[in-house]
Amino acid sequence: QLQLQESGPGLVKPSETLSLTCTVSGGSISSRDYYWAWIRQAPGGGLEWIGSIYYNENTYYNPSLRSRVTISVDRSKTQLSLRLSSVTAADSAVYYCARQVKSTTSSDYWGHGTLVTVSS
Amino acid sequence: DIQMTQSPSSVSASVGDRVTITCRASQGIDKWLTWYQQKPGKAPNLLIYAASTLHSGVPSRFSGSGSGTYFTLTISSLQPEDFATYYCQQANIFPVTFGQGTRLEIK
Repeated sequence: QLQLQESGPGLVKPSETLSLTCTVSGGSISSRDYYWAWIRQAPGGGLEWIGSIYYNENTYYNPSLRSRVTISVDRSKTQLSLRLSSVTAADSAVYYCARQVKSTTSSDYWGHGTLVTVSS
Repeated sequence: DIQMTQSPSSVSASVGDRVTITCRASQGIDKWLTWYQQKPGKAPNLLIYAASTLHSGVPSRFSGSGSGTYFTLTISSLQPEDFATYYCQQANIFPVTFGQGTRLEIK
């Protein structure tokens, strides 16, 4: 059974860089059938796609975040990483990693999510 | 970017009711529409993809329809576990975009 687990600091200071890791177990992150995505949800808010990465490391980013986002994979550790620079309070959210089926761009497996608060 | 608009933003219903939620895309997305269910404090769960295909394990009381710019999610007979927030997501092109969500509450 595929499992995804986000990890990283729960508190980040304004203007600093948010860094999260998603560890994937029970499956490969090298399949051509899937993207791997980061999605976030502000408290009480809706879902916002941050970006996705494909097995060949092609990346796709939300235009509103593109200048600040980097998504990468470490195949040896079966991990997905997110870096978001110059954070503000507006970046406070629950951050989810998810597997997206390439043919439908639907996310069929999600991590439990990790809450990140931006505050000094 | 393709904008997704759900309606209503919230709805109250009773167990056994039939409920329909709509999702409109700002431009045509063929059949590439996904529905998720989210309960408080939990990650979203995939319900329906490609507008009308039920994800594995999803009860048959859920159904989806539509194409182009207009889509619906119908729950034929509400069960207590269905009270949650529902999101649509366009899956046609990047950037992926979500509707704002529809909160389904118990009347």
